[in-house]
Amino acid sequence: IVLTQSPGTLSLSPGERATLSCRATQSISSSYLAWYQQKPGQAPSLLIYGASTRATGIPDRFSGRGSGTDFTLTISRLEPEDFAVYYCQQSGSLPLTFGGGTKVEIK
Amino acid sequence: QVQLLESGPGLVKPSETLSLTCSVSGDSVSSGGFFWNWIRQPPGRGLEWIGYVSHTGSTNYNPSLKSRVTISIDTSKSQFSLSLSSVIAADTAVYYCARASRRWGASGPGWFDPWGQGTLVTVSS
Repeated sequence: IVLTQSPGTLSLSPGERATLSCRATQSISSSYLAWYQQKPGQAPSLLIYGASTRATGIPDRFSGRGSGTDFTLTISRLEPEDFAVYYCQQSGSLPLTFGGGTKVEIK
Repeated sequence: QVQLLESGPGLVKPSETLSLTCSVSGDSVSSGGFFWNWIRQPPGRGLEWIGYVSHTGSTNYNPSLKSRVTISIDTSKSQFSLSLSSVIAADTAVYYCARASRRWGASGPGWFDPWGQGTLVTVSS
């Protein structure tokens, strides 16, 4: 399953809303879609699993939704620490795959 | 809490074998319900899943690397390892180990959490 993330780069200001898209080449159960955040020089960290369940300690400004082939990660109000690269990942079928990433940068 | 730490050579010559070990603390690799994974990220690029080993020793590999990859587990040391043979420059990447939870309502791995800090392996003569 190929995951396509858009846009490649999102230029926004702190306080703005970010909407990131992840589209799959075939339908995935929402149970099998996760999102990760990666900051420069760091490993990715889990944000959301099951398409909409926040991982432990993740603030509620992060939300995920979607089903089938279209999934969305929303950051309601960007904080300075949210500027990073975000990846989606599917576990609906092997091989496990990641999207190409969306970079959220400061405008 | 569970912590994973990668170790191994940072430089490997072309055609040789890349070998890395992931040491797990705060949990046991022999505990059921989890899958122990390797993931890599070439400099400036995205993430590629390499494969996993379960606590029983069963494995599954990405078809793109399957002919060159072996992942094994040592429950006595709470470690699992990656071996990638016949490396080329394109294998240069940060290599991460990560634990995956079992998928909801099904077998197989789901999401990755936690991740190791990653280790850069450069393939060069």
